[in-house]
Parts: sequence; structure tokens; C-alpha cells
Amino acid sequence: SQQGEEDPQALSIQEGENATMNCSYKTSINNLQWYRQNSGRGLVHLILIRSNEREKHSGRLRVTLDTSKKSSSLLITASRAADTASYFCATAHHQGAQKLVFGQGTRLTINP
Amino acid sequence: DGGITQSPKYLFRKEGQNVTLSCEQNLNHDAMYWYRQDPGQGLRLIYYSQIVNDFQKGDIAEGYSVSREKKESFPLTVTSAQKNPTAFYLCASSIVQGDQPQHFGDGTRLSIL
Repeated sequence: SQQGEEDPQALSIQEGENATMNCSYKTSINNLQWYRQNSGRGLVHLILIRSNEREKHSGRLRVTLDTSKKSSSLLITASRAADTASYFCATAHHQGAQKLVFGQGTRLTINP
Repeated sequence: DGGITQSPKYLFRKEGQNVTLSCEQNLNHDAMYWYRQDPGQGLRLIYYSQIVNDFQKGDIAEGYSVSREKKESFPLTVTSAQKNPTAFYLCASSIVQGDQPQHFGDGTRLSIL
């Protein structure tokens, strides 16, 4: 299976702290994407990083990609209670149809 | 506002019954996708379509069927052959060319009566 793995499965931190989530995958990718899901809702796209990129920033989000280790990390800085959600990485292994393979997600809880 | 609309939000199925989940998008996207999400799990691909009148099986297509008669619509039928249909179903769409994210609806939660 190409299914990615995320680590940790659950993370609980205090508001204002940084949160780091990791994602590993098994086969070569075209790009890797991070999504956020609030409870009972659909997924919202956060950031996309291509296989030839090593780091990307978007606001308080920082994503890194290490293709030699087949891994990525998502850092959320200065966390807020509203960041409480599940975060998923998804890998695209071919160009074109954007068929994605999702990890099992990290459940992030920000305590006020 | 452009987006994806899934209906109904909640759906109940009786034994032996087929049910159809609706997904409509006004983003002018060529590609559409159906995923299944079980509690505490990631998404698994059921079917996807890159163009009208064409679709491909995903990883867990057994017990499901789809149609793509219009660009805007990609309904999913959960048939009686799907023995464990209780799950959260998510529809998504995307541009086909280049590296593009997927846009998701807010899901349909299907339960067994």
C-alpha cells in the first residue's frame, strides 16, 4: 500500500506553543499536500509542496520535504485554540488526475 | 461563491436498500472524487472522474457505483452489496492540469437503520 503514516496520532499543547506533525510515505511523489479537517466537516487545503522543493511557508505554517527520507513535516507556530483540528498529509504519485493518498492524520488539540 | 455541495448531510439506509449521495460543484473543475472516511482514519478513494462520461475505480470501489453525465455532478450510489456502509463520505474536485489541490464538500454521514 502507498498509504502514508503520520506521527504523532494525537498532539495536545498549550496555546502559543508550536506544533509539529510528521508524515512519511513509501514511494516517490510528484507533490505532497497538507489538509486540515474540523470535526464533522470537509477537508481544507493548507499548503502544497512539490517534489523539487524543500521548504514552503504560508502565514504561521511551515512545511518541509525530505525526499531522500520520504518524509515531510508541518509546523504551526504560535498556536491558537482555533487551530484545534485533524491534519492530514496527502501524496500525489503521478501528474494529471491528482489522485491523492492520504495519511491517517494527526489530531491536534490546543488548550487555552 | 464557488464550492462543492454535498447532500444530504445525514442519510440512513435500510438493509438491502441502495442510496445515492449527491455532489455538485460550480468551480468548473474537470476532476471529481469520492472518498470514504471511517472514524479516526484517513480518506480512502472510492471512485474518481477526470472528464464527463468517464470514471475510474479507486482503492475501495466494491459495493459502490458512480455516474458522470454532467461536469458539475458526480453522484455516488451505495449499493446493497456494500456490507459495511456506515462512514463519512466526502466529495472533492480539482483542476486536472498541473499540481493542484482538491476542494472538498462538507460530507454526508451514512448510517444503517
